Amino acid sequence: GAGVSQTPSNKVTEKGKYVELRCDPISGHTALYWYRQSLGQGPEFLIYFQGTGAADDSGLPNDRFFAVRPEGSVSTLKIQRTERGDSAVYLCASSLSAGRGTSGVYEQFFGPGTRLTVL
Amino acid sequence: QKEVEQDPGPLSVPEGAIVSLNCTYSNSAFQYFMWYRQYSRKGPELLMYTYSSGNKEDGRFTAQVDKSSKYISLFIRDSQPSDSATYLCAIALMNSGYSTLTFGKGTMLLVSP
Repeated sequence: GAGVSQTPSNKVTEKGKYVELRCDPISGHTALYWYRQSLGQGPEFLIYFQGTGAADDSGLPNDRFFAVRPEGSVSTLKIQRTERGDSAVYLCASSLSAGRGTSGVYEQFFGPGTRLTVL
Repeated sequence: QKEVEQDPGPLSVPEGAIVSLNCTYSNSAFQYFMWYRQYSRKGPELLMYTYSSGNKEDGRFTAQVDKSSKYISLFIRDSQPSDSATYLCAIALMNSGYSTLTFGKGTMLLVSP
């Protein structure tokens, strides 16, 4: 079946511009996560959605970052007034649930990421 | 101190070698321990998952957790060139009914034929 898809795969923009990154999760997955992976680092949590609502946005670095998931499926990460320090790979992941299953936490399935370069 | 520490490598080994990858963590409340593999320009994929101290084996891979030392390891037996990738340890804490992942930096592994 189809995995998590992310578009675009690459995005080059200029400092100060606005960008939108899209994530299409696995069908039926209610939990959706955004992570940011800088060069040479592991992914860092940004925001988690359960259904349509952002249940935890504690990882968003500042108010230039915003994410939505209006119908509980596709999500868009929006970055205003981009800065060079925003350059990174933005990863989206989805799971059946963010809660605990019979054998522990549900697996998070990752997309290939969007590589954002801010010039 | 970061919550999860991992040596970034790179670690170079010949084909057939036994590989040992390690992470330490600081928060004793962490409950779930995972290893992800990430090929270049791809998203991470789950390799191993465990939630108790001890060993868990899956084919050539063994995950080991020592909660008393806050130390987790991944062993790869009979390493293959196709194992060349970045290996990320990830730790989860179930809090308020959901969990998010805290990752180490990742260790780049290179297996030469």
